[in-house]
Amino acid sequence: GAGVSQSPRYKVAKRGQDVALRCDPISGHVSLFWYQQALGQGPEFLTYFQNEAQLDKSGLPSDRFFAERPEGSVSTLKIQRTQQEDSAVYLCASSRGRNTEAFFGQGTRLTVV
Amino acid sequence: AQRVTQPEKLLSVFKGAPVELKCNYSYSGSPELFWYVQYSRQRLQLLLRHISRESIKGFTADLNKGETSFHLKKPFAQEEDSAMYYCVRAGGNQFYFGTGTSLTVIP
Repeated sequence: GAGVSQSPRYKVAKRGQDVALRCDPISGHVSLFWYQQALGQGPEFLTYFQNEAQLDKSGLPSDRFFAERPEGSVSTLKIQRTQQEDSAVYLCASSRGRNTEAFFGQGTRLTVV
Repeated sequence: AQRVTQPEKLLSVFKGAPVELKCNYSYSGSPELFWYVQYSRQRLQLLLRHISRESIKGFTADLNKGETSFHLKKPFAQEEDSAMYYCVRAGGNQFYFGTGTSLTVIP
């Protein structure tokens, strides 16, 4: 496909369960971002990759959150021992470089029950 | 703090009326600013960026460094403009989003 693809689109997890969210960026895009969007809020930055290097993880809310992009394309955001406050839409975006137009995926809506 | 402020969470206008969505930013340098839009059941997409100074779907946004604003304007709103609009500033390794303004255009 031509756009950023995220899977699953919806995920319901029991509290304490681990989840993994996948992002397929646009081919050739160097930059990849993860954002968390709580209900009624704007997206909040989680982490940034340049190719396979995680250059910024300052937005990850706790050490339960982990992201990787081992081959510089597909990325996975993992949340361990999910809590109710982790319920949100998780957005992935990719771009050709820093500060250029970011293309967003549809997001994964995570609900922790 | 690297803030982008959108003071209006909700905005309703009648079709054909002018619309202005406000955005203020806090940054002392030359900002890289965008407006992103999210239509119902669609993904976030770029509407326009200040550096290109173009009009997209009739929308324009002018950077006012003195007022640190980047308001989005359209002279005649259309029903298809109903959507969520985010003002965004690029900086460092991330994009800073405002909280968004939900625009409803009343037929």
